Amino acid sequence: GQQVMQIPQYQHVQEGEDFTTYCNSSTTLSNIQWYKQRPGGHPVFLIQLVKSGEVKKQKRLTFQFGEAKKNSSLHITATQTTDVGTYFCAGPDTGTASKLTFGTGTRLQVTL
Amino acid sequence: DGGITQSPKYLFRKEGQNVTLSCEQNLNHDAMYWYRQDPGQGLRLIYYSQIVNDFQKGDIAEGYSVSREKKESFPLTVTSAQKNPTAFYLCASSRVAGGNTDTQYFGPGTRLTVL
Repeated sequence: GQQVMQIPQYQHVQEGEDFTTYCNSSTTLSNIQWYKQRPGGHPVFLIQLVKSGEVKKQKRLTFQFGEAKKNSSLHITATQTTDVGTYFCAGPDTGTASKLTFGTGTRLQVTL
Repeated sequence: DGGITQSPKYLFRKEGQNVTLSCEQNLNHDAMYWYRQDPGQGLRLIYYSQIVNDFQKGDIAEGYSVSREKKESFPLTVTSAQKNPTAFYLCASSRVAGGNTDTQYFGPGTRLTVL
């Protein structure tokens, strides 16, 4: 079945350092969504990318969708402690587009 | 105030008991979903429903059951057949456009502990 993997699984940075998580799908995706889950909380939608090669920015966060629409990345510039959490990518399931396949997640820890 | 609610936040049950988790949304979304999350892990889909009175199994449906009698409600029952039910359960809802799921909105979750 469809698999969506993320690397790294975990990253620990000092505040002010940059961070990148990569998302790779075994199949071509019609779109990719990113979610953030704070410790003890629930996933919250961040953004959706639809076009091949698309790049979107939200303040210090930059999201990219690969040309082949099989991979994506999230880059955070100058991390802050408020960035702590787990970041998930998700794409429509190949067989049933009415559901999402979530990536394995990348947990980010930021210390002062 | 629109949103999706789950109750209770924490739930403790004895082994062998069935337990029902509540999920309600007032976003007028057609689709609703149940996920299970184990510590440090990702989200695994249990069941989903695109329309009232219809639902489909997800990747880990064994030991669980659902109903969708109203658009706003999608309760999940964790049965005694579920071998390892202790987990964090998340409910989500979304619009469905042309058969494709849109952004999913999550409830705050229910932490179930089976003793």
